Amino acid sequence: SQTIHQWPATLVQPVGSPLSLECTVEGTSNPNLYWYRQAAGRGLQLLFYSVGIGQISSEVPQNLSASRPQDRQFILSSKKLLLSDSGFYLCAWRGTARNQPQHFGDGTRLSIL
Amino acid sequence: GQNIDQPTEMTATEGAIVQINCTYQTSGFNGLFWYQQHAGEAPTFLSYNVLDGLEEKGRFSSFLSRSKGYSYLLLKELQMKDSASYLCARLGAGSYQLTFGKGTKLSVIP
Repeated sequence: SQTIHQWPATLVQPVGSPLSLECTVEGTSNPNLYWYRQAAGRGLQLLFYSVGIGQISSEVPQNLSASRPQDRQFILSSKKLLLSDSGFYLCAWRGTARNQPQHFGDGTRLSIL
Repeated sequence: GQNIDQPTEMTATEGAIVQINCTYQTSGFNGLFWYQQHAGEAPTFLSYNVLDGLEEKGRFSSFLSRSKGYSYLLLKELQMKDSASYLCARLGAGSYQLTFGKGTKLSVIP
């Protein structure tokens, strides 16, 4: 069966510091991968998605970036965090067959001080 | 845009039935998903509708009317553990992206 791992679960970072969140998927090949952010009281906002190694689509211009160095690895990064980057970050995967649901990792709660 | 509208909050009694509605833009539509999200946790997949009608999964059912741009999630025999946010998500045609509503926070009371 497929599983998705996301870490860390919780992170507290100072303003201006860098960020690296990692997500890996097991049990499937060539998944579509997604990064979302969920701010308090708001809906899920799609940040990036990828349909293959090295391919990244950005949905919202901001100081975050994403990379997919391996088929089942998706990384969310920032060189300098802002206060507004606080939130709940979720990685998700789905199979390539049309209309497959997305399945989420456990999320990372990021607090910027 | 792809606005998805669902009520912000609902309250229902344990053992009762509750219906959570969702409306969405019909153009370029390719499917409707429902997710459950408990506080502080990640969303989990509940149901998927692409054709008109009712899909039943145990205590949960989901309905879709494509012509009306309307879906609902029906929860029967409510339990306290059903207290959570329920997210409606629209899949666009030719797209692998889901657009999520802001969620409906359901509180189940004794």
